[in-house]
Amino acid sequence: KAGVTQTPRYLIKTRGQQVTLSCSPISGHRSVSWYQQTPGQGLQFLFEYFSETQRNKGNFPGRFSGRQFSNSRSEMNVSTLELGDSALYLCASSYDYGGTEAFFGQGTRLTVV
Amino acid sequence: GENVEQHPSTLSVQEGDSAVIKCTYSDSASNYFPWYKQELGKRPQLIIDIRSNVGEKKDQRIAVTLNKTAKHFSLHITETQPEDSAVYFCAASKVSGGYNKLIFGAGTRLAVHP
Repeated sequence: KAGVTQTPRYLIKTRGQQVTLSCSPISGHRSVSWYQQTPGQGLQFLFEYFSETQRNKGNFPGRFSGRQFSNSRSEMNVSTLELGDSALYLCASSYDYGGTEAFFGQGTRLTVV
Repeated sequence: GENVEQHPSTLSVQEGDSAVIKCTYSDSASNYFPWYKQELGKRPQLIIDIRSNVGEKKDQRIAVTLNKTAKHFSLHITETQPEDSAVYFCAASKVSGGYNKLIFGAGTRLAVHP
């Protein structure tokens, strides 16, 4: 069974640009959550999608958005990038919502210059 | 808001010793508590989890205990090995209603010395 796949693995963007990250969950998993990981702030919850609906959102500005498709794949978008958005973005998939038995992808390392 | 505190931030042990990492959560309605291990440059991996209707769970050398009254839970690793060296994260979630998200502790960097 394939694991959680995130693309791309690495991105370098310029301040002010926008970026879209993709996450393909484990087959059969309906929930996808996104997290931002930085050395100083640890793992911070961005949002969770279940059956194409955003069920919860963390304390991030509106520049961070996401969506989920009917096949459970999810995308995350960050507009008007800032230097502070440089981080490892991880998605996790689980069969049910709430983060139970969540399995992480390898992450997308975003660098904003 | 919801918060999970994790201690210690770093832990150094000799191979064969035991290691204990402790977490405290703020929301008494939390009912799911997973632990993740993240090796350098790799993704966090779920190593064990516990639900609020259970007080203790074991899996070979690792165990997790939960004290709902005190709102804290702990990870115990016995007979540590060098490959146990990693950053360990605890998390808490309230499944079904309310905030359906994992709130993570800040992590504990465990170093096991041969």
